[in-house]
Amino acid sequence: QKEVEQDPGPLSVPEGAIVSLNCTYSNSAFQYFMWYRQYSRKGPELLMYTYSSGNKEDGRFTAQVDKSSKYISLFIRDSQPSDSATYLCAMGVYSSASKIIFGSGTRLSIRP
Amino acid sequence: NAGVMQNPRHLVRRRGQEARLRCSPMKGHSHVYWYRQLPEEGLKFMVYLQKENIIDESGMPKERFSAEFPKEGPSILRIQQVVRGDSAAYFCASSPPNRELTYEQYFGPGTRLTVT
Repeated sequence: QKEVEQDPGPLSVPEGAIVSLNCTYSNSAFQYFMWYRQYSRKGPELLMYTYSSGNKEDGRFTAQVDKSSKYISLFIRDSQPSDSATYLCAMGVYSSASKIIFGSGTRLSIRP
Repeated sequence: NAGVMQNPRHLVRRRGQEARLRCSPMKGHSHVYWYRQLPEEGLKFMVYLQKENIIDESGMPKERFSAEFPKEGPSILRIQQVVRGDSAAYFCASSPPNRELTYEQYFGPGTRLTVT
């Protein structure tokens, strides 16, 4: 079993829809959680990070963490074609901050 | 403020040759990380370095791979005697010097290595 599981998609939604991206994890030691966006042939770009259960909002993006269920989500409101990318969840522990475990990524396509 | 820079962006090597990948961290950043990404897979941690020190190389294959981050100049990931299985995208990331912020990593554009 992988430490972090992420549905690879692809996920295709119409412009303006709310997108929900999810990851599950098995290691209860994970303390901080991140979402990266990666455009084709580019490096990952840090979107959001959080280290507590609950919601964190940044513009059209909301990150949600449920440590009891070992489940994290990223919601994108009012989705735009420019949001089309691969979204990677990632998580780690402070005592080993050098090793972040990444999900395999979900490919998202926003249809105009 | 320039981001993380990597070169070359694309590298083609024949089996048995050496590959040398370079990474210049963001200005003010003193932590460098190398990751490998295979097609349809997530990023896999390889090594974490600070200036002149390897902090964690637990993700690095034991043979043929080495990394350094000298006092002056870029970080180098070296792969000796490349094999076809080394074909992948190699990403470098950097983070600021505050230890507790090392989860906040900024990635370069990557080097795509193709072994023929």
